[in-house]
Amino acid sequence: DTGVSQDPRHKITKRGQNVTFRCDPISEHNRLYWYRQTLGQGPEFLTYFQNEAQLEKSRLLSDRFSAERPKGSFSTLEIQRTEQGDSAMYLCASSSGRRGRVSEQFFGPGTRLTVL
Amino acid sequence: GQQLNQSPQSMFIQEGEDVSMNCTSSSIFNTWLWYKQDPGEGPVLLIALYKAGELTSNGRLTAQFGITRKDSFLNISASIPSDVGIYFCAGLSSGNTPLVFGKGTRLSVIA
Repeated sequence: DTGVSQDPRHKITKRGQNVTFRCDPISEHNRLYWYRQTLGQGPEFLTYFQNEAQLEKSRLLSDRFSAERPKGSFSTLEIQRTEQGDSAMYLCASSSGRRGRVSEQFFGPGTRLTVL
Repeated sequence: GQQLNQSPQSMFIQEGEDVSMNCTSSSIFNTWLWYKQDPGEGPVLLIALYKAGELTSNGRLTAQFGITRKDSFLNISASIPSDVGIYFCAGLSSGNTPLVFGKGTRLSVIA
């Protein structure tokens, strides 16, 4: 399977706990994106990386959220001190840096987070 | 911020019918993308549009990039049960800006 993969697919946690999600992009893609999606809404941008550099962060990404892509391959998204409002589907996408194809983002299956 | 308005919000159609949905914005976008999302899964890219006025097909799907660059349309011909899902439009202002998504059109197909 050469698509975007995410782990875990589901996570249930108690309020106040920390959680970490992992995303493995399509192997030749140098751009990696994180989105959050709540029920009835489209995905909302959180942050993106080009190789290992984090180039943009949304104001949705509070101080409790941190994302890394240390070697320019896989990425992790950590949420500290989770709150019930963090419950959502967290989606990862990747795109090629090739001219004309930068905007074609391919999504993984998502990690559904439930905060009790 | 930028917003995309998708219509209709939901639609019920008979198998075999054609479907039309659209996406409008108050801002100009230079790229339009259409995705389909099944329950519990991530969005799947259907069609990408890069030029105003462009008409692109992918099997039974046809999408158009509006001339004003503020809208896009998706048509599905001869719908089948597996077309059921939520269709999202997404716009991109430039290569360095994030995708902006609409709220989706939920399609139900009655066999």
